[in-house]
Amino acid sequence: KAGVTQTPRYLIKTRGQQVTLSCSPISGHRSVSWYQQTPGQGLQFLFEYFSETQRNKGNFPGRFSGRQFSNSRSEMNVSTLELGDSALYLCASSLGQPNEKLFFGSGTQLSVL
Amino acid sequence: GENVEQHPSTLSVQEGDSAVIKCTYSDSASNYFPWYKQELGKRPQLIIDIRSNVGEKKDQRIAVTLNKTAKHFSLHITETQPEDSAVYFCAASRGTYKYIFGTGTRLKVLA
Repeated sequence: KAGVTQTPRYLIKTRGQQVTLSCSPISGHRSVSWYQQTPGQGLQFLFEYFSETQRNKGNFPGRFSGRQFSNSRSEMNVSTLELGDSALYLCASSLGQPNEKLFFGSGTQLSVL
Repeated sequence: GENVEQHPSTLSVQEGDSAVIKCTYSDSASNYFPWYKQELGKRPQLIIDIRSNVGEKKDQRIAVTLNKTAKHFSLHITETQPEDSAVYFCAASRGTYKYIFGTGTRLKVLA
């Protein structure tokens, strides 16, 4: 069974640009959640999607948005990039039940110059 | 707001010794507490979890304890080995598909 796949692996952008990250969950998983990982801050929750619906979101500005498609693949978009958006963005998939094991992807390393 | 504090941020132990990592959560409605291990350059992976109706859970050399009254939970690793070297994250959830993670503990096992 293939694991969670995130593309691209690395991204370099400049301030003001926008970026779209992609996440393909494990086959059969219908929930995809996104986390921002920075040194010293750990993993911070961005949002979670299930059956194309956002069920929960974290405390990030509206520049961070996401969506999920009917095949459970998810995309995350960040508009008007800021230097502070530089981070590793991880997505995780699961079956979609509360309080269950998350399967993480390898992440997309975003650098904003 | 929801918060999980994790200590220490770094921990060095001699091979064969025990390691303990502690977390404190703020949301009293939290009922699920997983621990994830992230090796250098790799993705986080679940190593053990505990639910609020249980006080302790063991899996070979790893154990987790939960004190709901104090809102503390801890990871215990016995007989540490070099392959235990990694960053460990605790997390808490109240069942709303949102996991609040601690800031991580970098464990170094010295051979």
